[in-house]
Amino acid sequence: QKEVEQDPGPLSVPEGAIVSLNCTYSNSAFQYFMWYRQYSRKGPELLMYTYSSGNKEDGRFTAQVDKSSKYISLFIRDSQPSDSATYLCAMSKAAGNKLTFGGGTRVLVKP
Amino acid sequence: GAGVSQTPSNKVTEKGKYVELRCDPISGHTALYWYRQSLGQGPEFLIYFQGTGAADDSGLPNDRFFAVRPEGSVSTLKIQRTERGDSAVYLCASSLANAGANVLTFGAGSRLTVL
Repeated sequence: QKEVEQDPGPLSVPEGAIVSLNCTYSNSAFQYFMWYRQYSRKGPELLMYTYSSGNKEDGRFTAQVDKSSKYISLFIRDSQPSDSATYLCAMSKAAGNKLTFGGGTRVLVKP
Repeated sequence: GAGVSQTPSNKVTEKGKYVELRCDPISGHTALYWYRQSLGQGPEFLIYFQGTGAADDSGLPNDRFFAVRPEGSVSTLKIQRTERGDSAVYLCASSLANAGANVLTFGAGSRLTVL
């Protein structure tokens, strides 16, 4: 079993809908949680970065971390076709440690 | 430079050949990471440099893989006796130290195909 599990999708939604993404993990030592967006043939791009449990909002994006359940989520409001990409969750045990990634969820927002 | 630069963007080689992949990080970023991403998978950690030294090389799959960063800036990932299973996108990322250490900026990757 992988340390970080993520549904591969694809997840198809109509434009304007809320996109809901999540990851589960098994190692309670993870303290830092990130979401990356990756377009085809590009490198991952950091979207959200949170430390420990709680919520964080940035524009149309909301990240949630529930360490007691070992579950993290990303919500994208008012989704746009330009949000069509693969979304990767990532986590680390300490600042400067290696990141452990989920397998990525492919999202398609249809106009 | 403005971002992380990786060369070549594409490399096709034959089984058994030697390959070098280069990463030029963001100026001033002391930490540099190499990851490998297979089709449909998330990136897998290979090695991490803090300055010139490898702080964690636990992800290197075997002794055919080696990476250097002699002056604390540009890094080269070296793969000897390539195998078809080495085919993947090799991603490089860099970050600041300390508080910014988890904020990685990735390059576009070097796509390696071993025939």
